[in-house]
Amino acid sequence: NAGVTQTPKFQVLKTGQSMTLQCAQDMNHEYMSWYRQDPGMGLRLIHYSVGAGITDQGEVPNGYNVSRSTTEDFPLRLLSAAPSQTSVYFCASSTSNRAYEQYFGPGTRLTVT
Amino acid sequence: AQSVSQHNHHVILSEAASLELGCNYSYGGTVNLFWYVQYPGQHLQLLLKYFSGDPLVKGIKGFEAEFIKSKFSFNLRKPSVQWSDTAEYFCAVRGNQAGTALIFGKGTTLSVSS
Repeated sequence: NAGVTQTPKFQVLKTGQSMTLQCAQDMNHEYMSWYRQDPGMGLRLIHYSVGAGITDQGEVPNGYNVSRSTTEDFPLRLLSAAPSQTSVYFCASSTSNRAYEQYFGPGTRLTVT
Repeated sequence: AQSVSQHNHHVILSEAASLELGCNYSYGGTVNLFWYVQYPGQHLQLLLKYFSGDPLVKGIKGFEAEFIKSKFSFNLRKPSVQWSDTAEYFCAVRGNQAGTALIFGKGTTLSVSS
């Protein structure tokens, strides 16, 4: 199993640009989530999904969209990048009945200038 | 709302020193608690977890944590740290709201000098 994979590993955007961070898992996990990690802030939940076709907002959803068309993929879209979105983004997945035992991807480091 | 507090933002130790990182949580009901570690340039890995039973939980790499319900605490300990323990450590609690699987503390950076 590859586990949870994320692409790209690094990305630099200009303010106003849009992009999609990719996340995929091959463990047939129902639950997937996106976090952002900022210095001194820990990990904050952006969006999550409990299954294909079902998504919901987490703690800091503004400026981000998600969709879940398949069990495997959970892309995160930045609609119009802002410097405040400079962060490290982690995708995670787990089974629905043990959603707290999450497997994390390697992260995407995003810089918005 | 649930929250997790980690008291130490940055801890600096010499090799062989003992480690204790503080973690307090706010929820008074049944809790599931976790410690995650993030080594430099790597993703988060589960270090140990507490669900029920023995309040002293042993994890990987010689780490342990003690759940003290009366103090709402789940402190992480290691008797003798190594340089390779240099990492960021996150305490987390299982969320009690639908869909909020984990609530993380802000993290503690541990730097171990050889």
